[in-house]
Order: sequence, then C-alpha cells, then structure tokens
Amino acid sequence: AQSVTQLDSHVSVSEGTPVLLRCNYSSSYSPSLFWYVQHPNKGLQLLLKYTSAATLVKGINGFEAEFKKSETSFHLTKPSAHMSDAAEYFCVVSANDYKLSFGAGTTVTVRA
Amino acid sequence: NAGVTQTPKFRILKIGQSMTLQCTQDMNHNYMYWYRQDPGMGLKLIYYSVGAGITDKGEVPNGYNVSRSTTEDFPLRLELAAPSQTSVYFCASKAEQGLNQPQHFGDGTRLSIL
Repeated sequence: AQSVTQLDSHVSVSEGTPVLLRCNYSSSYSPSLFWYVQHPNKGLQLLLKYTSAATLVKGINGFEAEFKKSETSFHLTKPSAHMSDAAEYFCVVSANDYKLSFGAGTTVTVRA
Repeated sequence: NAGVTQTPKFRILKIGQSMTLQCTQDMNHNYMYWYRQDPGMGLKLIYYSVGAGITDKGEVPNGYNVSRSTTEDFPLRLELAAPSQTSVYFCASKAEQGLNQPQHFGDGTRLSIL
C-alpha cells in the first residue's frame, strides 16, 4: 500500500525568499510521484513528476523536487517565491492506473 | 483546448434530492476519474473508468453512481443527497496506461446539501 505525508499544513514565506514543501511517501515498490498546485476555486495543475529517470526533477514556474529513496522523501522547492505562488500544494503517489494517494495538502501564503 | 470541463460550478441541493454532475473531456483520454475533496483533506477517489462501458468503484463509492457511454463523458449521479456529500467534486482524465501518466483535472463542482 502507498501513502503520502505532507509534513507542513501551512507554510508562510516572504516574497523573494525560498520555498520548501516537505513530502514523505511510503510505497511497496518504486512509485511515480507528482506535485500538483491548486489555486482558489480551480482544479489541480501538474507542477512536476518523478518517474525514475532523474532524481532532481524540474517543473513549471521555477519549481523543482528531489527524490531521495533512502529518506523516502520528495520535497518541493523554489528559490524565490512570487505572490502568484500562493496556493495549496499536493504531493501525490501513484502505484497503479486507478490509485492515486494524495497528501493532505500544504497551504502556501506569500507575504509582500 | 478546453481539457476537462465540469458543470455546474456550484450547486445547492436539499436533502433527498438527486442530481448529475457532468464531466466531459476533449483530449480523447480513455481513463477518467471522479474525486471528492473535503476541507483539510486530499482527494478521495469515488469511481473511475478505463474506457467507454467500463467503470469501477474507488475508495468512497457509496451514495454515487456513474456511467461511461462515450469516451468524452463521465457523469456522476447522486440519487438521494445527504449532508455528508457536501464537498468539492473533481473530474480528471489521463491519456493512457502507466504510472507516470499525470491526470488532468477540471475546475470542480462545489456542492452543498442542506
């Protein structure tokens, strides 16, 4: 069985400072991992995905994530936060075609 | 390119009423999904479909029904609305089989049952 734990329910950063969103996963075999972003009253948009090709994955809008198998982590980072990054972020693990396990989400607020 | 379109965006129902949440995608995706999202929670899978005429239950199917008569459409039916079904409902699709294929989401239907 697979599961995802997002370690922070809320992260607050100042504009221009780095963002770190932490995600730990458990999976009985090699998973595919995703980060999605959800802006208010919108659906989920794919930021990036890990599929075992490379441990450092670059996504859209300057986000990247590093897969660390030894730590079972897939943390999301961005060097410099922008006001438009204020949203909710979900870490997701996929173990088969119909089963996605979602984390509870991390709400990001960006202070001017 | 519309992607995944859900209607309506908002709806208020009375207990015991029924309704259908519509979902259509124009990407010719075989796989389609219905999720519900409750406050402070991730998404929970209600039903999914791997192609026209094929549907199966997800984690939380009770109180819901689905059909898939065409590749494009995947409606979700609530027969007897209950307050516990107050939630935001998302439809999603993906192109093909494979763990690394991402799902594409609609903007959601916000449903309140009073």
